[in-house]
Amino acid sequence: DAGITQSPRYKITETGRQVTLMCHQTWSHSYMFWYRQDLGHGLRLIYYSAAADITDKGEVPDGYVVSRSKTENFPLTLESATRSQTSVYFCASSEGGPLTFGSGTRLTVV
Amino acid sequence: GQQVMQIPQYQHVQEGEDFTTYCNSSTTLSNIQWYKQRPGGHPVFLIQLVKSGEVKKQKRLTFQFGEAKKNSSLHITATQTTDVGTYFCAGPSSAGGTSYGKLTFGQGTILTVHP
Repeated sequence: DAGITQSPRYKITETGRQVTLMCHQTWSHSYMFWYRQDLGHGLRLIYYSAAADITDKGEVPDGYVVSRSKTENFPLTLESATRSQTSVYFCASSEGGPLTFGSGTRLTVV
Repeated sequence: GQQVMQIPQYQHVQEGEDFTTYCNSSTTLSNIQWYKQRPGGHPVFLIQLVKSGEVKKQKRLTFQFGEAKKNSSLHITATQTTDVGTYFCAGPSSAGGTSYGKLTFGQGTILTVHP
């Protein structure tokens, strides 16, 4: 019962490449979120989704794209990766209350 | 926009000492949540406070929500090495009165416990 899974756990990519981070949850939670974590900034919201086909920008959306065609999946795409997008990315889900986080993806852009 | 500030950013203690982290919001919160992230891990929900002046305890951890519902604190009594990690507070992000489950996190307090 993985609950919420992210893949890959680690990713190294080159500047300018497109990369997609995957997130899958098994609870049928309505809400899903993508946060990035950087030292000194805590967790900052990139995008969120209230339901399938409903997504909206968070605090730091530039350079990212999301989709949610199915309730259980919420992939995050970096259209053209930049070094400033080197970070740890966490997916989370909820039913409006406390968030449950995935294990994270550590992304390095070189 | 809404800001959630947390202090201190770092805290080093000897095992057995007490620890406190403080959280302040620029806006009144309907609730406040606390999360713990172990080194190399992901944030894990600890507790949610809803009522003004509420105090909740979990073993050695005491959580408090301010009377004005704009500040909160987490106090750990007699720290242990298992308490190591980053502690985050978080409050609902308001957008026209509806948060859609979004949370604004404080920057976190990184706790180191020396045995």
